[in-house]
Amino acid sequence: EPEVTQTPSHQVTQMGQEVILRCVPTSNHLYFYWYRQILGQKVEFLVSFYNNEISEKSEIFDDQFSVERPDGSNFTLKIRSTKLEDSAMYFCASSLSGGITEAFFGQGTRLTVV
Amino acid sequence: SQQGEEDPQALSIQEGENATMNCSYKTSINNLQWYRQNSGRGLVHLILIRSNEREKHSGRLRVTLDTSKKSSSLLITASRAADTASYFCAGRGDSSYKLIFGSGTRLLVRP
Repeated sequence: EPEVTQTPSHQVTQMGQEVILRCVPTSNHLYFYWYRQILGQKVEFLVSFYNNEISEKSEIFDDQFSVERPDGSNFTLKIRSTKLEDSAMYFCASSLSGGITEAFFGQGTRLTVV
Repeated sequence: SQQGEEDPQALSIQEGENATMNCSYKTSINNLQWYRQNSGRGLVHLILIRSNEREKHSGRLRVTLDTSKKSSSLLITASRAADTASYFCAGRGDSSYKLIFGSGTRLLVRP
């Protein structure tokens, strides 16, 4: 079973602060994603990343968000100036192929903005 | 919107019974995937069914897909208390890499 690892599992931050959520996708996967789930709500797509660039993003993924694959193994999501409404569970996912194979998710990072 | 919608929203059954969850979606898909989520935890991939498949099995799971009705169902046979979780369908569109998730079915299996 492919493994996606996310750190930290829980992060508390003050409103206006920057946070970086980290992910180590499955080693041979080529496509990477971030999703979020506000408590009790649907899982929402944020962004997909392939070949070192964003391939698709949602309306949620505004200028406050950015993604990076700095070293060939980690995949990060940065929120520049957090808002209360950014509080959610953030999931990283990866897949071998973009459209036709399974996407495997990490355990998530619970972000709490206070 | 491609959003999947599951029904029922919540299902409570006795251990040993079968559980059936349904999912409907609005636009064409390349494939549809089912995930399980235990409370507050990550999403565990269960099964993927492609648009040219009608039925797929994996252990106690059986998934069907009807592209003409834009619907899918997940059947869990001989349920166990450990199957208690939320189950989500997620569709991947033809020209997109993203998954669009439904709102999920909360399954409770009573011992």
